[in-house]
Order: sequence, then C-alpha cells, then structure tokens
Amino acid sequence: DTEVTQTPKHLVMGMTNKKSLKCEQHMGHRAMYWYKQKAKKPPELMFVYSYEKLSINESVPSRFSPECPNSSLLNLHLHALQPEDSALYLCASSQEISAGQGFWEEQYFGPGTRLTVT
Amino acid sequence: GIQVEQSPPDLILQEGANSTLRCNFSDSVNNLQWFHQNPWGQLINLFYIPSGTKQNGRLSATTVATERYSLLYISSSQTTDSGVYFCAVDILTGGGNKLTFGTGTQLKVEL
Repeated sequence: DTEVTQTPKHLVMGMTNKKSLKCEQHMGHRAMYWYKQKAKKPPELMFVYSYEKLSINESVPSRFSPECPNSSLLNLHLHALQPEDSALYLCASSQEISAGQGFWEEQYFGPGTRLTVT
Repeated sequence: GIQVEQSPPDLILQEGANSTLRCNFSDSVNNLQWFHQNPWGQLINLFYIPSGTKQNGRLSATTVATERYSLLYISSSQTTDSGVYFCAVDILTGGGNKLTFGTGTQLKVEL
C-alpha cells in the first residue's frame, strides 16, 4: 500500500482563523514532507521531518507551523494567513534506504488540500 | 540552487501518437523521479530512476546522470495521459530527500 491521505480536501478560511491540515501514512516511512503548489507552478518544498524531528525548514513564514506527533502523522497548523497563501498543499513521505545513511527512497504524495484564504 | 528545466512546456497530441519529454538539470543529483499530476492535483509516481532505463507499460524513462538529463517516452498516447508531467531531482541531505521539481510539461491528448 503506497497511500498517503490528507484531510480536508478543501478548506476556506479567513485571515483571522486558525486551522490545521492533516496527513497520514501507514507505510512505515520515517520522513514526511509538506509542499505548497500555486496554480500552474511546480510544487515547492516547505518542511521536512525525519524521524519525527524537523530537519528542513525552507524559510517558511511562522504563520505556518508544522507538527509531527508520531511517525505516521504530520500536521500543518495555519494562523493569520494571507490571501496569497491560497494554494494546493501536498504532503509526501519516503523511506530511508539504509538506516542512518541519509539515502532516501522515492517520495509518495497525498491528494492535497486545496486552501483558499479570504 | 539547482535548476531543473523541462521541455516542451506544452504539448498537444492526437490519441495514439508518441512523444518524448525532456528534463535537464544543472548539477549532480542523488536521484530522479517522474510524476504525472492529474487534473485533480494528485501526483502519481511514474518512475524512480537515478540512471539507466525503465519501462512500465506504454511509458518508459531514461536517465543519463553524467550528462544531466532524463527522458520520458509516452507511446500510443490516450486521453487519460493528459495532465502535467514533472521530473523532480533529489539532492542528498541527511534529513530526507529534498526534491526540486522541474518546470513541468502540460500534455493534452485529443481524440
């Protein structure tokens, strides 16, 4: 099973709201990722969690706050977003080929959450 | 950072035609993936191909890492092949593979 699930599928929120995006995988993968994709553009990496620790933050504004409660779950907490943050938010996961070696297998993506900020 | 360019940016095919999509990258990479993004936004894994050639049905891919390019071949195209095709290169890090996506090829297959 190579499934990554994301909820909700669609989200509309105001600029003063607080909301969360959720991502789950049951493939035993130890790295999880958040990407942002604007219309007609490629996905751009936001965060990487490796073994439940934040390992890469691509200079993302603090109004986006990631959280990895356990090895299967990844959340993205949203607060005080701007209309330009409207986008498709994609979650992905991958497995390390050889423990501790830093070589990772292919990434598998969830279906995404389409976020609109009004 | 690394640059990943895809060509052509847009492609229209008649059903049954063949095509070749190209991905050029500007630096050495750890690995390379090809994805198909359907109209609903789902990224579907096509190939995980650091080097050599792989085939899966009507699709095949070749990566020549030493020359920094990869090719995706689509044969006997079908309307369901429509969507955006991305290559993504993997730069080695200790904290997970950091994928940088190419600019994409928008494919439309018509009857």
